[in-house]
Amino acid sequence: AQSVTQLGSHVSVSEGALVLLRCNYSSSVPPYLFWYVQYPNQGLQLLLKYTTGATLVKGINGFEAEFKKSETSFHLTKPSAHMSDAAEYFCAVSEKAGTALIFGKGTTLSVSS
Amino acid sequence: DSGVTQTPKHLITATGQRVTLRCSPRSGDLSVYWYQQSLDQGLQFLIQYYNGEERAKGNILERFSAQQFPDLHSELNLSSLELGDSALYFCASSPRGSRGTGELFFGEGSRLTVL
Repeated sequence: AQSVTQLGSHVSVSEGALVLLRCNYSSSVPPYLFWYVQYPNQGLQLLLKYTTGATLVKGINGFEAEFKKSETSFHLTKPSAHMSDAAEYFCAVSEKAGTALIFGKGTTLSVSS
Repeated sequence: DSGVTQTPKHLITATGQRVTLRCSPRSGDLSVYWYQQSLDQGLQFLIQYYNGEERAKGNILERFSAQQFPDLHSELNLSSLELGDSALYFCASSPRGSRGTGELFFGEGSRLTVL
């Protein structure tokens, strides 16, 4: 069975600092990996995804993530945090297109000025 | 705007009651997924329908049921409601497997409060 572990339920950074949100997955097949963001009282919005090919993927709002098979990780980074990045972030895994995503428990990102 | 529409946005009801949540997927998407989001359980996959047929089941209680209609909209029925059923229920849709890259498109959710 697939699973996702997000290390740290809450991460706090200063504006302009590096953002690093950690995600490790478990999958018996080559995974499809995703990061979603959820702003208060809104649905989930896709930040970026990895399916095949280049292991460093770039997403919206300056975020990127690197797929590391040997470490079973898909950590999310952004070089410089902005106040508007404050939200909850979810990592997810699936076996293939057309199947349900399995989500981690989420990481709340706080950004202080 | 993801293109996925959910109604109602908010619903307050009492224990023991039954409610129906409705979802219209993005135009052209054949798959619909239902998720439950709560503080203690996080985002839990409930059930998936593909072109009217049940495709996969997750952690869906027997008191809950769903269906997808010929026009592809879906309904999630929650019965004999308990306080613990209070949560945000999301619907998501995706294209046919070979035509998509795996991501799901989420609606804004239906917030259910059971008193």
